[in-house]
Amino acid sequence: AQSVTQLGSHVSVSEGALVLLRCNYSSSVPPYLFWYVQYPNQGLQLLLKYTSAATLVKGINGFEAEFKKSETSFHLTKPSAHMSDAAEYFCAGYQGAQKLVFGQGTRLTINP
Amino acid sequence: DAGVTQSPTHLIKTRGQQVTLRCSPISGHKSVSWYQQVLGQGPQFIFQYYEKEERGRGNFPDRFSARQFPNYSSELNVNALLLGDSALYLCASSIGTLANYGYTFGSGTRLTVV
Repeated sequence: AQSVTQLGSHVSVSEGALVLLRCNYSSSVPPYLFWYVQYPNQGLQLLLKYTSAATLVKGINGFEAEFKKSETSFHLTKPSAHMSDAAEYFCAGYQGAQKLVFGQGTRLTINP
Repeated sequence: DAGVTQSPTHLIKTRGQQVTLRCSPISGHKSVSWYQQVLGQGPQFIFQYYEKEERGRGNFPDRFSARQFPNYSSELNVNALLLGDSALYLCASSIGTLANYGYTFGSGTRLTVV
């Protein structure tokens, strides 16, 4: 069964600094993995997805994630943080049976 | 093009009551999934419907039910509401049932049970 763990419920970075949000998955089969962003009082917006193609996945708003099978990781990065990046970020994996399994979320705060 | 539309946006109900939440998928999307997001947690899968048939069910009690209509819109029903049912209910639509198609989420319905 697929499970997803996000390390760090809260990450704080300065504007212009590197953003690194960590996600590890557990699965015995090559997974489908996703990163979603949620702004206050809104639904989920897809940032990027990994579907067994290229291991480095580029998404919207300058975000990218690298699938590392040896580390069972799918960390999200952005070279330079903007104030508008402040939000809740969720890593999710496809477990089969037509469902996504989400991590607990990481709240990203950007300091001016 | 319109995204995934959910109604109502907010709802307050009393314990023991019943509630119906509605979802209209993106045009051309035949799959609708429902998720429950309790405050401070990630979304939890409730149901997926494709071509009006249930294709997946999460670990929720029988008080939760859903259906999909011929136009692919969907309703989620919750009976005998409990305080613990207070959450953001998210609907997601997809072209098909496979994860590689991707899921587009609506803005959700915020349900408060008092």
